[in-house]
Amino acid sequence: GNSVTQMEGPVTLSEEAFLTINCTYTATGYPSLFWYVQYPGEGLQLLLKATKADDKGSNKGFEATYRKETTSFHLEKGSVQVSDSAVYFCALSRNQFYFGTGTSLTVIP
Amino acid sequence: GAVVSQHPSRVICKSGTSVKIECRSLDFQATTMFWYRQFPKQSLMLMATSNEGSKATYEQGVEKDKFLINHASLTLSTLTVTSAHPEDSSFYICSASYASGRGAYNEQFFGPGTRLTVL
Repeated sequence: GNSVTQMEGPVTLSEEAFLTINCTYTATGYPSLFWYVQYPGEGLQLLLKATKADDKGSNKGFEATYRKETTSFHLEKGSVQVSDSAVYFCALSRNQFYFGTGTSLTVIP
Repeated sequence: GAVVSQHPSRVICKSGTSVKIECRSLDFQATTMFWYRQFPKQSLMLMATSNEGSKATYEQGVEKDKFLINHASLTLSTLTVTSAHPEDSSFYICSASYASGRGAYNEQFFGPGTRLTVL
């Protein structure tokens, strides 16, 4: 079947620290992969996506590379800011969407 | 980018009443709309998938008679929580999508969510 396994949080980092949130998936066929971000009290916003193997999605300093060989789509950012504090969801699309459990990130000044 | 609106953003109602939540795709035609429920500090739980003009497909464990979904047009879907009770209090999020040629959804565009509180 299709599923997404996401690194559990919460994650707390100091400003300007390096961020990695791990995400691995199980899927039949060739899914598209996504990272969504949810700020407190709001809905989900697309952060970045990749639709085929070796694609790199990037946005606002965040990056993730679609690795078919390791079935992974880890989210990275070189220097986090306080404004990046949110919950991050990894997801795959294969006829329907499958979400990970979400990882809460808090960035402290 | 594609915009999805939800109305209302927040609603408080008495136990036993029904509440309708609207989800609209503002600048694209959504072949499919999804309804999710999110409990505090948890992931999204898919409740149902609706395609325009046909009956919604409900996930296992979701009462279709309690959560009525109507997808009357390519830009509007509604979720009605019938005879609401305090345990129905939650954050309800809709999303809209269109299918790509490969059969996988290109992307889901999410509404801002509706906070339902049942007293």
